[in-house]
Amino acid sequence: GQNIDQPTEMTATEGAIVQINCTYQTSGFNGLFWYQQHAGEAPTFLSYNVLDGLEEKGRFSSFLSRSKGYSYLLLKELQMKDSASYLCAVIGTGGFKTIFGAGTRLFVKA
Amino acid sequence: KAGVTQTPRYLIKTRGQQVTLSCSPISGHRSVSWYQQTPGQGLQFLFEYFSETQRNKGNFPGRFSGRQFSNSRSEMNVSTLELGDSALYLCASSLLGSNEQFFGPGTRLTVL
Repeated sequence: GQNIDQPTEMTATEGAIVQINCTYQTSGFNGLFWYQQHAGEAPTFLSYNVLDGLEEKGRFSSFLSRSKGYSYLLLKELQMKDSASYLCAVIGTGGFKTIFGAGTRLFVKA
Repeated sequence: KAGVTQTPRYLIKTRGQQVTLSCSPISGHRSVSWYQQTPGQGLQFLFEYFSETQRNKGNFPGRFSGRQFSNSRSEMNVSTLELGDSALYLCASSLLGSNEQFFGPGTRLTVL
């Protein structure tokens, strides 16, 4: 079967660093996405990993290990506006079918 | 460049009715995917269309169907609505050869 696991909720403090983990088991692998979704809004693209290693983009970094079926999203210098759900999504084989995890709700407190 | 647009934004229906949702992709995007999002379930893939052809289909019953027109606009239809169909339905478009999807604001469907 195909499965993506993420923690349901996380809480962190403004200015801190938080790491959101994602593990996956899918039939084939063509890349992994992280999306941010604020309540009541559509998901927006954060990062894309297809090769092992770390991709850094400003305060956000994403890491991938294909052999371990594992990724994480690292958020630095947390801001209140980072309170949102973070969705891990894997592109399987057979075209562009994208499988999403249930999302991790991040609460940033002052 | 205009983003992905979806109509209507909100919809209330009763059990047994049918509904049609519309999605207009970003200009130049020919791939359109549909997702159902419910609390706790995350985004569930419904289907993907490219050049008027369905390329992939998720594990939803036959009551859920879709189509794509020659201008890449897409519609999805749900017949014989059930209470459990209440959800946010998201449409996403992408360029040929790109894995990055751009999401519309969604249609929130409530079935009473």
